Amino acid sequence: GAVVSQHPSRVICKSGTSVKIECRSLDFQATTMFWYRQFPKQSLMLMATSNEGSKATYEQGVEKDKFLINHASLTLSTLTVTSAHPEDSSFYICSAGAAPETQYFGPGTRLLVL
Amino acid sequence: AQSVTQLGSHVSVSEGALVLLRCNYSSSVPPYLFWYVQYPNQGLQLLLKYTTGATLVKGINGFEAEFKKSETSFHLTKPSAHMSDAAEYFCAVSDLSCGTSYGKLTFGLGTILTVHP
Repeated sequence: GAVVSQHPSRVICKSGTSVKIECRSLDFQATTMFWYRQFPKQSLMLMATSNEGSKATYEQGVEKDKFLINHASLTLSTLTVTSAHPEDSSFYICSAGAAPETQYFGPGTRLLVL
Repeated sequence: AQSVTQLGSHVSVSEGALVLLRCNYSSSVPPYLFWYVQYPNQGLQLLLKYTTGATLVKGINGFEAEFKKSETSFHLTKPSAHMSDAAEYFCAVSDLSCGTSYGKLTFGLGTILTVHP
């Protein structure tokens, strides 16, 4: 089956630093990838839709200047949390695939900002 | 706008008992429907999906779900629970309406399934 990887799986940052999270589709090409955020004991909230070769589409309330998304190739999308603060601590999950039928999810990245 | 309601944030069953996780949705157009499972500190794994055709769909690990349009429901069932089924389960709908929302998933709040011996 389709495999999506994320790196890093876990990261701890100091407040004010930036952190980049990579999402890769390992055995298929994805023109569209999605970035989600999941707070403890809550559901996944879509942050943005990442389109290869074009600007990402952000959901309402998501700061595009804070969460920079780059989708430079058909197998890689990156999410950069700029000037991270403790309230950005969360579980970030990406997905890729043939929307609307199937999205394959990465294993997630747990970000802790101290 | 679409929405998904999962009735019961926690469900507890005995090993070998029937598992029933409820999901109701609202959508302006008939959506695609999904059930995902999430184990602690992991991403989501697709259990099963309904797109078109047979309304009773079978997934992995012995799970199945039935799409009932009249009830706008897509409940997940498994005849006999196993200890390894303990996880959090999310119901989701995919937006098929024209426009920028096409293909986006809307998730329910999740149901934590506990299986006790």
